[in-house]
Amino acid sequence: GAGVSQSPSNKVTEKGKDVELRCDPISGHTALYWYRQSLGQGLEFLIYFQGNSAPDKSGLPSDRFSAERTGGSVSTLTIQRTQQEDSAVYLCASSLRQPGGPGGELFFGEGSRLTVL
Amino acid sequence: ELKVEQNPLFLSMQEGKNYTIYCNYSTTSDRLYWYRQDPGKSLESLFVLLSNGAVKQEGRLMASLDTKARLSTLHITAAVHDLSATYFCAGSQGAQKLVFGQGTRLTINP
Repeated sequence: GAGVSQSPSNKVTEKGKDVELRCDPISGHTALYWYRQSLGQGLEFLIYFQGNSAPDKSGLPSDRFSAERTGGSVSTLTIQRTQQEDSAVYLCASSLRQPGGPGGELFFGEGSRLTVL
Repeated sequence: ELKVEQNPLFLSMQEGKNYTIYCNYSTTSDRLYWYRQDPGKSLESLFVLLSNGAVKQEGRLMASLDTKARLSTLHITAAVHDLSATYFCAGSQGAQKLVFGQGTRLTINP
């Protein structure tokens, strides 16, 4: 597709269940980010993938959160044993290249809204 | 580590007025980005500022970058209701992750 695609757009789950959120970046984009945005708040960085480099996982809030990016394209963010405080919109973004050079502009998906009951 | 701070965080203004949103960053940033977010929507890229003194304009919005002062500004001229949104600035250092400011929620009243 032309843009960053995320699924599901909405997910309601019960506390303690695992969830998987998927991101399809723009074709050819080497950098992929996951951010979290709680209601009315700013963007909380979670994880950053750049090409074949080791991902920057410094923003993952706990070991219940993990993400992988297969074949340099699709990424999955997994939240295990979900808690109510995990409720938020999870945004994925991709860019053609690394942020500091040409093509570093991020393009965002529409987000996955997670509600943990 | 790069830190990005915006002010004000909330801004309510009347149509027709001018105002400026400020974005300060803590260390050298290779480039500066501005994004817009409408309620319930994702982020939309507005401007990419590449070098000291860069100025970009689109309609009633103008962004500028002063790398010596580590400051970017987003100026709104003769505001209209359609510009109500949350505006984010973001900076980066080399290949490191993009760091966002807290966002400025702008409300423009008739």
